[in-house]
Amino acid sequence: QSVLTQPPSVSGAPGQRVTISCTGSGSNIGAGYDVHWYQHLPGTAPKLVIYDKMKRPSGVPDRFSGSRSGSSASLAITGLRPEDEADYYCQSYDISLSGSLFGGGTKLTVL
Amino acid sequence: EVQLVQSGAEVKKAGESLQISCKGSGYDFSKYWIGWVRQVSGKGLEWIGIIYPGDSDIRYSPSFQGHVTISADKSIASAYLQWNSLRASDTARYYCGRTDYGGNLGAFHTWGQGTVVTVSS
Repeated sequence: QSVLTQPPSVSGAPGQRVTISCTGSGSNIGAGYDVHWYQHLPGTAPKLVIYDKMKRPSGVPDRFSGSRSGSSASLAITGLRPEDEADYYCQSYDISLSGSLFGGGTKLTVL
Repeated sequence: EVQLVQSGAEVKKAGESLQISCKGSGYDFSKYWIGWVRQVSGKGLEWIGIIYPGDSDIRYSPSFQGHVTISADKSIASAYLQWNSLRASDTARYYCGRTDYGGNLGAFHTWGQGTVVTVSS
C-alpha cells in the first residue's frame, strides 16, 4: 500500500479545471520534501510535468501547476484537453524509507 | 541531447539470473543520479532504487532491497539492474531515469524507453 495516497480517478470536460491530490505524512511531504508529478501513458516513458512542488520543465504548458499544503500536494490542470488523458503520479522522498516513492496513481479521463 | 537507452526485452524462467542496462549519452554520466522504476502491467509506478555513478553510492527501496542489485560502470556510461534469482512476480516493464537536480531526492527529468521483463514459472 502506497504511503502517498491519490484518488484512483478524476474526470473533467474539455476546457474545465481538475485537481489531483497526493496525501502523505510527516515523513515525506509533511517533512518538507519536494513533490514531483508525472504524466504516464502505459507502455511509454513517464513524462515529468511538475518538479520541486511547482516548477515546470521546459515544454510543459502553464496549464499544469503544482501546490503543497501541510502533508498534501496537488496537481491542477486547467483548460483540459483530450491529450491530457493519462495516468498521473506524484513522487516524494520519505525519510523513514530512506528513499523515494510514488503515489498509487490517478487516471484522468477527459469526457 | 541527453538520452538514456535501455537494453531490449527479456524472456526468462523463474530462478534464472538477469541483468538489464541503461546507457547514458549527451552528458557527463558520472555526475547525475540514475534511478530504476518498475511498472507491473495494470499497476502503478514503483521506485526501486537509485545510484550515483561517480562513486556508486546506492539507495534501495525496502521493498526491493535484497532481491535486486543496482550498479553502474561510469567508464561506459551504463547503469544496471540485476537479479540473481528471478520470480514470476518480477514480470514488469522497468524504466531508468536521471535526476537533474536534488540528487537522490530529485525528479526524473529524463527517462529510458523501458525494458519489458517476462518471467515464466
